[in-house]
Amino acid sequence: DTEVTQTPKHLVMGMTNKKSLKCEQHMGHRAMYWYKQKAKKPPELMFVYSYEKLSINESVPSRFSPECPNSSLLNLHLHALQPEDSALYLCASSTSGTSGRLTDTQYFGPGTRLTVL
Amino acid sequence: GDSVTQMEGPVTLSEEAFLTINCTYTATGYPSLFWYVQYPGEGLQLLLKATKADDKGSNKGFEATYRKETTSFHLEKGSVQVSDSAVYFCALSDQSFNKFYFGSGTKLNVKP
Repeated sequence: DTEVTQTPKHLVMGMTNKKSLKCEQHMGHRAMYWYKQKAKKPPELMFVYSYEKLSINESVPSRFSPECPNSSLLNLHLHALQPEDSALYLCASSTSGTSGRLTDTQYFGPGTRLTVL
Repeated sequence: GDSVTQMEGPVTLSEEAFLTINCTYTATGYPSLFWYVQYPGEGLQLLLKATKADDKGSNKGFEATYRKETTSFHLEKGSVQVSDSAVYFCALSDQSFNKFYFGSGTKLNVKP
């Protein structure tokens, strides 16, 4: 099973709302990723978790707060977002070596389409 | 730093035409190379990959060969279908820098 699931599929929120995106995988992968994708652009890396610890934060604003409660789950908490944060948010997972180095193929979920009003 | 360069789209073909989407890369180490496909309104799906020089990845009639001498990983398909209409991303995984790089994407439109 090479499936990564994401909920919700669509989300509309106001700039004062607090919401969360959820990602789940059961492939035994120990690295999980959040990407942001604007229309007609490639995905941009936001965060990487390796063995449930945050290993990469690509200078993402603090209004995005990631959380990895266990090896299968990854959340992205959203607060006080701006309209320019509207995008497709993609979760991915991959194997992670014992040293924590990220290896090889990333498997992506279907994404959450976020609209900030 | 590492990078991936793809041909600009959109690429418009008639059904059953031959497809080539060019991808070249720069990397200091020995990267793995990937093609991902994104259908409208969906996430990315792994199409094929190659992990070392001269490897050929293949899936669903698509092929790409890892050419170290030309630093290329061009995607080919002998006969495209309307259902192949999507955006195709070339990508590189660099173990040296613990990074994953995407190309800018190439949109393919296949007409009946």
